[in-house]
Amino acid sequence: KAGVTQTPRYLIKTRGQQVTLSCSPISGHRSVSWYQQTPGQGLQFLFEYFSETQRNKGNFPGRFSGRQFSNSRSEMNVSTLELGDSALYLCASSFQGGGTGELFFGEGSRLTVL
Amino acid sequence: GQQVMQIPQYQHVQEGEDFTTYCNSSTTLSNIQWYKQRPGGHPVFLIQLVKSGEVKKQKRLTFQFGEAKKNSSLHITATQTTDVGTYFCAGPSGNEKLTFGTGTRLTIIP
Repeated sequence: KAGVTQTPRYLIKTRGQQVTLSCSPISGHRSVSWYQQTPGQGLQFLFEYFSETQRNKGNFPGRFSGRQFSNSRSEMNVSTLELGDSALYLCASSFQGGGTGELFFGEGSRLTVL
Repeated sequence: GQQVMQIPQYQHVQEGEDFTTYCNSSTTLSNIQWYKQRPGGHPVFLIQLVKSGEVKKQKRLTFQFGEAKKNSSLHITATQTTDVGTYFCAGPSGNEKLTFGTGTRLTIIP
């Protein structure tokens, strides 16, 4: 079956702009989690959605937001971009979520903020 | 909040040598998961341990979950060039948020 699909794969933005990233989970998976990966901070949890509801949220400012649609596809948005937002944004889907069970990661969206 | 630390941060080994990475959580975990991320790739699930003291093997990889369910280890016997990558442990906090460890980057010297 198809894996987790993230779009776009690469993007370049300037400070102050906003960006929307998309994630299509594996068919049948209702949980979608988002992580920010940077060389210095590792994998940082952003949020998890399950059946269109935000189940958990990490310690990121309100500029980072997300949502999940009825077909389980998820989007995350970052507004008023800062240089420090440059990172690889990874989406992961799972059947159960909630910290239990295998996460299937997408290839990621690499964001560069200039 | 929950912290998950891994040591060492980096490990360089000669091909054929063994490798071990250690994972320590500040809180008790209901389970521990291990992932491998190849250079330029995304994390890929390796295994999940649930029971206190559990030991699981996958070919040359041995995973252990500590008795107190706060620490874990991954041991690779006779490393090969295909083992190159960063190994992450991950465990859920009390609110079921999966927290990843800091990772151990393994490089192999042929």
